[in-house]
Amino acid sequence: KQEVTQIPAALSVPEGENLVLNCSFTDSAIYNLQWFRQDPGKGLTSLLLIQSSQREQTSGRLNASLDKSSGRSTLYIAASQPGDSATYLCAGNTGKLIFGQGTTLQVKP
Amino acid sequence: NAGVTQTPKFQVLKTGQSMTLQCAQDMNHNSMYWYRQDPGMGLRLIYYSASEGTTDKGEVPNGYNVSRLNKREFSLRLESAAPSQTSVYFCATSDRDWYGYTFGSGTRLTVV
Repeated sequence: KQEVTQIPAALSVPEGENLVLNCSFTDSAIYNLQWFRQDPGKGLTSLLLIQSSQREQTSGRLNASLDKSSGRSTLYIAASQPGDSATYLCAGNTGKLIFGQGTTLQVKP
Repeated sequence: NAGVTQTPKFQVLKTGQSMTLQCAQDMNHNSMYWYRQDPGMGLRLIYYSASEGTTDKGEVPNGYNVSRLNKREFSLRLESAAPSQTSVYFCATSDRDWYGYTFGSGTRLTVV
């Protein structure tokens, strides 16, 4: 059974810092891994999708990596801004999408 | 281009009442999913439909039924609502195994 874990559960940083969010999964037979952003009371916005054959994906200040052999993915956010404050969810796809509990990020001005 | 549309957005039910949550997609995706999101529990899969005409149980199916009405629509029914079903419900779609998932904006359900 696929289990997805995200560390840390919460993170508070000053504006401008580079930061890393971690995601680990138990079943390496994933098709892909997807990172989402969720603002309070809102739905899920897809940020990045990494296929199992890929090592990383980039979108603007976001970079996500995938290491299937170790069961790990990281989301790197460069030059963080207050508008980045949200909960970040990673999810592994083994035919069904299994979510981690999320990392709640607060970026202070 | 609406993507995935869920109705209603908010609902309050009394214990024992029934209701159906609706989900419609215009992305021509084969697979559709229902998740619930609870504090401390994350998002958990309730039911899914890999293609039109098929449905399967997910992690937490008890107390729910689903209908894949056609390729576009996938409904979730609560026959006799319980306070434990108070949650935010999300519908999602995907097409192939290597596709990403697209989520609707959610239905916030309170059972009193």
